Amino acid sequence: DTGVSQNPRHKITKRGQNVTFRCDPISEHNRLYWYRQTLGQGPEFLTYFQNEAQLEKSRLLSDRFSAERPKGSFSTLEIQRTEQGDSAMYLCASSLAPGVSGYTFGSGTRLTVV
Amino acid sequence: SQELEQSPQSLIVQEGKNLTINCTSSKTLYGLYWYKQKYGEGLIFLMMLQKGGEEKSHEKITAKLDEKKQQSSLHITASQPSHAGIYLCGADSPNAGNNRKLIWGLGTSLAVNP
Repeated sequence: DTGVSQNPRHKITKRGQNVTFRCDPISEHNRLYWYRQTLGQGPEFLTYFQNEAQLEKSRLLSDRFSAERPKGSFSTLEIQRTEQGDSAMYLCASSLAPGVSGYTFGSGTRLTVV
Repeated sequence: SQELEQSPQSLIVQEGKNLTINCTSSKTLYGLYWYKQKYGEGLIFLMMLQKGGEEKSHEKITAKLDEKKQQSSLHITASQPSHAGIYLCGADSPNAGNNRKLIWGLGTSLAVNP
């Protein structure tokens, strides 16, 4: 296992288009997180899955955002009708139970909305 | 709500010099994580600290968590250009229940001049 994999690495899209990002976590990690990071800021929590269940969703996540983890393995984050304010780095992380290990992050997907 | 403050915001050191980055919390930390990030990339896990007074080292980087579990420091000995990047501290949010999403400092940008 080579760690957490995110695709694509970069995405440029026109305002109003829909985009989908994929995250493949470490296979034995049952917990998966999505964060968003803008320049000069720490990551902001977006949503969290334990296995296939989405247990928490940040108030930052508008109705245009949806995330899934259908079989408890990979996850997708979709943004509908993108806006320029959605431009950011989208980070995925996975972990075991709290306190067992750290959180392993992927390399992120950088979204630019033009 | 709990906040993490990192200091300094940025740091420029000469190669070979030692340096320390601090992370301070307004409330007790239940899990403190240090990550390194290169510009435009994902986060690389460095260390996890959980117990008051805990200290961990990896190569030339040492992280400590104070006895009160409200402050952590990251110390780099004999810095090298490869140490350059943004160092982020993250902590388990005590109000997150079992979800354990992370809250973050704003990061410390480190440059090492050869």
